[in-house]
Amino acid sequence: AQKVTQAQTEISVVEKEDVTLDCVYETRDTTYYLFWYKQPPSGELVFLIRRNSFDEQNEISGRYSWNFQKSTSSFNFTITASQVVDSAVYFCALSSNDYKLSFGAGTTVTVRA
Amino acid sequence: DTGVSQDPRHKITKRGQNVTFRCDPISEHNRLYWYRQTLGQGPEFLTYFQNEAQLEKSRLLSDRFSAERPKGSFSTLEIQRTEQGDSAMYLCASSLWDSETQYFGPGTRLLVL
Repeated sequence: AQKVTQAQTEISVVEKEDVTLDCVYETRDTTYYLFWYKQPPSGELVFLIRRNSFDEQNEISGRYSWNFQKSTSSFNFTITASQVVDSAVYFCALSSNDYKLSFGAGTTVTVRA
Repeated sequence: DTGVSQDPRHKITKRGQNVTFRCDPISEHNRLYWYRQTLGQGPEFLTYFQNEAQLEKSRLLSDRFSAERPKGSFSTLEIQRTEQGDSAMYLCASSLWDSETQYFGPGTRLLVL
């Protein structure tokens, strides 16, 4: 069975602060994929990033960066210099050979001007 | 390139009525997925299709639920004899057959009175 845990329920920051979202996962599969999705108030899930289990290189894409550590089964996500438009619910998700996504419960991020 | 579309966006129905939702995936995507999301939770997998074949169904998909993808293009999700517990957001996603990344539609929000 696969499980994704997002321990932070809500995070509130002031604009321009950095925000780090935690994600811990469980899977017995050796090949798997990790994702972050954003869900703004409109409701549509927006794909942000994907990482394969065999590639632990951490990257930066614009204001987004991620820290994938297989040893601790964590896949944390950081928004640098947050903006009001970043306010949304962020979901961490996991998939493996069966393609279906297993989501965490989500972290609500509120960025105040 | 148009994204995933879903219709209707909102549906209010009375308990016991049948409802049908439609999903149009991104045009070249072979795989199509249905998820259900209740308030404050992450989406949960319901079922998925590769072309017209329904390959997996979650135990969440009771016998009142049926999904089809008759020509491997759009899909419908029907709920018969709706119950108040069916109130949720129903999300559709699609992907290429060789890609793990799923792209989501705006969802259909169902309220059963």
